[in-house]
Amino acid sequence: DSGVTQTPKHLITATGQRVTLRCSPRSGDLSVYWYQQSLDQGLQFLIQYYNGEERAKGNILERFSAQQFPDLHSELNLSSLELGDSALYFCASSVDLADTQYFGPGTRLTVL
Amino acid sequence: AQSVTQLDSHVSVSEGTPVLLRCNYSSSYSPSLFWYVQHPNKGLQLLLKYTSAATLVKGINGFEAEFKKSETSFHLTKPSAHMSDAAEYFCVVRGATGGTSYGKLTFGQGTILTVHP
Repeated sequence: DSGVTQTPKHLITATGQRVTLRCSPRSGDLSVYWYQQSLDQGLQFLIQYYNGEERAKGNILERFSAQQFPDLHSELNLSSLELGDSALYFCASSVDLADTQYFGPGTRLTVL
Repeated sequence: AQSVTQLDSHVSVSEGTPVLLRCNYSSSYSPSLFWYVQHPNKGLQLLLKYTSAATLVKGINGFEAEFKKSETSFHLTKPSAHMSDAAEYFCVVRGATGGTSYGKLTFGQGTILTVHP
């Protein structure tokens, strides 16, 4: 157990819908990262936050947004969902940007 | 930009024999490199990391990796495979210190390790 929690574990929804994925970092970690794992794209970096501020963006679609709250938990919002958004979404956290990232168990999103 | 290439998509070994998972990296700076493992339907677990200290890095569960700058390689090895080692392994490089992608991890495509009894 890495200490990073993600909810829900599984999410099944329909095209066009909007969902929110939640991540709680390890105690003491200020940085949160989101990654997407799909069969065709592999593991890809989406976005990172440090102490509430966005620090870097990767291959994140405009339909996706995220934020990190004052209590340091983070949410990833996915809207206007498409079949291709079906994937495993991981959250990771670290003490700071130079530290090792520890991954949560992931949220498996299925878009029907 | 940094990248990693895992040279084998699948590796199959017998229990008790050595494991070698190959990874080459590309980076314009001294990289931080990692190996993560993902067991079926599980999250990613850190095996080991290299951050410019000793070039031979020891990790958990008997795994180790050697950083070879001249070969731009960071291969993962284990002397004797166990059935529980069957999983997917990812070689990972981290974005450069101070750069706009600092902290960002770039993953290889993964190597699926199968261990036969």
